[in-house]
Amino acid sequence: AQSVTQLGSHVSVSEGALVLLRCNYSSSVPPYLFWYVQYPNQGLQLLLKYTSAATLVKGINGFEAEFKKSETSFHLTKPSAHMSDAAEYFCAVSDIQGAQKLVFGQGTRLTINP
Amino acid sequence: DAMVIQNPRYQVTQFGKPVTLSCSQTLNHNVMYWYQQKSSQAPKLLFHYYDKDFNNEADTPDNFQSRRPNTSFCFLDIRSPGLGDAAMYLCATSIIRGSGEAFFGQGTRLTVV
Repeated sequence: AQSVTQLGSHVSVSEGALVLLRCNYSSSVPPYLFWYVQYPNQGLQLLLKYTSAATLVKGINGFEAEFKKSETSFHLTKPSAHMSDAAEYFCAVSDIQGAQKLVFGQGTRLTINP
Repeated sequence: DAMVIQNPRYQVTQFGKPVTLSCSQTLNHNVMYWYQQKSSQAPKLLFHYYDKDFNNEADTPDNFQSRRPNTSFCFLDIRSPGLGDAAMYLCATSIIRGSGEAFFGQGTRLTVV
């Protein structure tokens, strides 16, 4: 069964600092990987996705993530944090076959300090 | 814009009183999902439809049912809501053999009183 582990339920950085949110996955076959962002009382918005093309994936709002098969990781980064980045971030994995159900990590709440 | 729309955004229901949440999509996607998200937790899949084929997750309580009368609409019925069913309910859609990306609605926040 597929699973995702996000290291750190809360991450706090200063405005302008590097953002690094960690995600490790477990899958018996090459998966699809995603990062979603959720603002309070909102649905989930896709930040970026890995679907076996380029291992370095660029997303919206200046975020990017690198797929590292040897480390089974898909960490999310942003060079310079902005106050508007404060939100909950979810890493997710899905099968490339069947209904492609998403399995989410437990989420990381990102706080930006002025 | 093509999108996933959930109504209502906020729903208050009484303990034990049946409630229905609705979801519509203009994306013409063949898969629709219902997720339950409790406070400070990850979304948890309740069930999904692949076209008209209904697929229940093994641990979804019988209290939760769903209907998909056509491609565009999907409903979540909670037959007898308990206090533990208070949560955000998220509808999502995707395309089979697509990129696996799911498109989410804004969610319905359910309060049980």
